[in-house]
Amino acid sequence: IAGITQAPTSQILAAGRRMTLRCTQDMRHNAMYWYRQDLGLGLRLIHYSNTAGTTGKGEVPDGYSVSRANTDDFPLTLASAVPSQTSVYFCATSFTGTGELFFGEGSRLTVL
Amino acid sequence: GQNIDQPTEMTATEGAIVQINCTYQTSGFNGLFWYQQHAGEAPTFLSYNVLDGLEEKGRFSSFLSRSKGYSYLLLKELQMKDSASYLCAVRDSNYQLIWGAGTKLIIKP
Repeated sequence: IAGITQAPTSQILAAGRRMTLRCTQDMRHNAMYWYRQDLGLGLRLIHYSNTAGTTGKGEVPDGYSVSRANTDDFPLTLASAVPSQTSVYFCATSFTGTGELFFGEGSRLTVL
Repeated sequence: GQNIDQPTEMTATEGAIVQINCTYQTSGFNGLFWYQQHAGEAPTFLSYNVLDGLEEKGRFSSFLSRSKGYSYLLLKELQMKDSASYLCAVRDSNYQLIWGAGTKLIIKP
């Protein structure tokens, strides 16, 4: 693993299905983030974690949940996907308190 | 509310200079960031300003005026590889980044 790995890269999902997007880092950054990026809108923060064992809600948390059991992994779960969750999802990491984020390559999710 | 404004799209010529503006209204200010994002790729960090003035890094410079809620990214000696979206982000009083929608820069030969 080099940097930040997201999986899957792309997924088509039926509405109502449960989906987990995976994010793993080997950069030893303490903070991790999930963003969604939609055309014409800025990146919007879904959930974040400043350190292992803690999580917080961002700007658009509804319909999503996260966990941070250890430093390296920060999965994002959609409990029951809806079409409005069609988006590109980016996982990012940083040292807490800095604004220099390092992004994964993104996961393109389509909910039909 | 919090708001970051950038032009949606700009076009410039290879070898020229282009300035991308960003204005912001946020609850608190703890720094302004510029990121570059090539189509289909992840954003990558370009610059950080927290004090007024100009920060220069090679062909790229970033300027900040906190009193005016204004920043710009200046790209010199444009190259075709500079074709990308440029994202302005402000860190607010909660130390969360608020992002603009990005400026798509098209470079023509």
